[in-house]
Amino acid sequence: DQQVKQNSPSLSVQEGRISILNCDYTNSMFDYFLWYKKYPAEGPTFLISISSIKDKNEDGRFTVFLNKSAKHLSLHIVPSQPGDSAVYFCAASWRNNAGNMLTFGGGTRLMVKP
Amino acid sequence: ETGVTQTPRHLVMGMTNKKSLKCEQHLGHNAMYWYKQSAKKPLELMFVYNFKEQTENNSVPSRFSPECPNSSHLFLHLHTLQPEDSALYLCASSQATGLSGNTIYFGEGSWLTVV
Repeated sequence: DQQVKQNSPSLSVQEGRISILNCDYTNSMFDYFLWYKKYPAEGPTFLISISSIKDKNEDGRFTVFLNKSAKHLSLHIVPSQPGDSAVYFCAASWRNNAGNMLTFGGGTRLMVKP
Repeated sequence: ETGVTQTPRHLVMGMTNKKSLKCEQHLGHNAMYWYKQSAKKPLELMFVYNFKEQTENNSVPSRFSPECPNSSHLFLHLHTLQPEDSALYLCASSQATGLSGNTIYFGEGSWLTVV
């Protein structure tokens, strides 16, 4: 059973507009959430994160919102640029016997059209 | 450049071959990971090493054998793989698995094709 879900496999946005990528999770033990960006033929690169004690974290054009009651987080990119076109993975961190582990969603492919 | 280097970037191997994937991190981290990404599937955690000790084996078949000689190097030894093992294998590292807010950093991946 997937504990982190990205229900939209793809999203298309016009350059300059806002991109909103969504992520839902089921495990209330997750205490830290991250977004990664992945270009084809490359590994994922860390983008932005948020602790479960916060509801918003902003870094330049990227803002992550966390709604714990809804077990939902979202990544906002504004304004969107063609170079933002990539696959975005949501990840959630929780602690088990081995330490803090990350569970990833299936990814959303963002296409920003010029 | 992410600080995590994987070699080879591409590998084609037969089902009876033995090959190894190599990963090296230059970030001073103490935890290293192998992830697998198959087409249309989420990233799957395979193995975790924390301070050179394996702390997680996510029910991975024994035809995949990890080795972590030190905190900077991680290997994945491959033997008698199946075509369905063809995937992108990603190495990652982080400060240590016990830290809260553990951000992991990925290498560029090794594309494996089993024929």
